[in-house]
Amino acid sequence: QKEVEQNSGPLSVPEGAIASLNCTYSDRGSQSFFWYRQYSGKSPELIMFIYSNGDKEDGRFTAQLNKASQYVSLLIRDSQPSDSATYLCAVNPLTGGGNKLTFGTGTQLKVEL
Amino acid sequence: DVKVTQSSRYLVKRTGEKVFLECVQDMDHENMFWYRQDPGLGLRLIYFSYDVKMKEKGDIPEGYSVSREKKERFSLILESASTNQTSMYLCASSHNGNIDNEQFFGPGTRLTVL
Repeated sequence: QKEVEQNSGPLSVPEGAIASLNCTYSDRGSQSFFWYRQYSGKSPELIMFIYSNGDKEDGRFTAQLNKASQYVSLLIRDSQPSDSATYLCAVNPLTGGGNKLTFGTGTQLKVEL
Repeated sequence: DVKVTQSSRYLVKRTGEKVFLECVQDMDHENMFWYRQDPGLGLRLIYFSYDVKMKEKGDIPEGYSVSREKKERFSLILESASTNQTSMYLCASSHNGNIDNEQFFGPGTRLTVL
């Protein structure tokens, strides 16, 4: 079982819709969770992180965390073509140390006109 | 503003050459990381360092070595480049933290080994 799992996609949504990106993780003691956006040919950039159960909102982005279900998601409201990218979920595990993060392989999002 | 820079955006080398990739961060971060990213495989950790002169192997250290002589600089060395090391190489840094240890990435170096 992969430590951090994401559906590779592509996930296609129409412009203006809500995009929902999901991530599950295996280490139950994981402490914090990060969402990165990566445009083709570019490096990942941090969108937001969450560490408490529930929702955290930042502009059009909402991160949702459910530690009991070991599930974290990213909602993008009013999706724009510029949101088309690969979204990486990263987890700060309890084990391992060294402040490493464990990354999923990413979900490709396509926002269509 | 957070800044991680890498010495080259694109690099072409020949099989057997020694290759140096350099990364510099200006955020006084303790931790620095080297990843490679290949289609379908995601980010794979090669080496990381949590302090000057300290290094630890990641998931795929074979064929690579690293050097961290100064806090702001972390170098990745390919002792004898091979074609299977053609990839996108990403450097990242982070500060020590229990929960807010997000990693900041450099722009990446696309290395081609012929």
